[in-house]
Amino acid sequence: SQTIHQWPATLVQPVGSPLSLECTVEGTSNPNLYWYRQAAGRGLQLLFYSVGIGQISSEVPQNLSASRPQDRQFILSSKKLLLSDSGFYLCAWSPYTGGNVYGYTFGSGTRLTVV
Amino acid sequence: AQSVSQHNHHVILSEAASLELGCNYSYGGTVNLFWYVQYPGQHLQLLLKYFSGDPLVKGIKGFEAEFIKSKFSFNLRKPSVQWSDTAEYFCAVYMNYGGSQGNLIFGKGTKLSVKP
Repeated sequence: SQTIHQWPATLVQPVGSPLSLECTVEGTSNPNLYWYRQAAGRGLQLLFYSVGIGQISSEVPQNLSASRPQDRQFILSSKKLLLSDSGFYLCAWSPYTGGNVYGYTFGSGTRLTVV
Repeated sequence: AQSVSQHNHHVILSEAASLELGCNYSYGGTVNLFWYVQYPGQHLQLLLKYFSGDPLVKGIKGFEAEFIKSKFSFNLRKPSVQWSDTAEYFCAVYMNYGGSQGNLIFGKGTKLSVKP
């Protein structure tokens, strides 16, 4: 069965420090991968998605970047964190074809607090 | 612009009350519809989905939702809520652009609090 792992679960970082959040998927090949940010009362905002290794699409211009160095690995990064980067970050995957049928499967999330 | 609207930010009910959470979307093309639930301290889970066929779909834990195409709506219902239904509920709409292209857009969520 497919599983999605996301870490760390919580992270407290000072302003101006770098960020690296990692997400890996097991049990499937060539998944579509997504990074969302969840803010209270604002729902889920799609930040990045990837349909393959090295292929990244950005939905919202911001202080973050994403990379996909391996088929089942998706990394969210920042060179210098801002206070406004605080939030709950979710990784998700869907089949390469069929995301419309199966929906997306979400990881457990990372609570990032920038201080 | 494509969007998904959940009109209720916070709903408070007593146990055994009936529930209906509204969801509307703005997109004229083909859609697939989902409701996700996030229990306190847990990750997002799929509650139910509509892909095709009967517009009344049944999900886990006694939830159901009805797709009304003419109203661009996919409201979530449950006849009798329990304290354990306390959670945040997200409506999501997959907007098909053609081929394998599309985008899953979420509403802002509705927080449901059930009083025992």
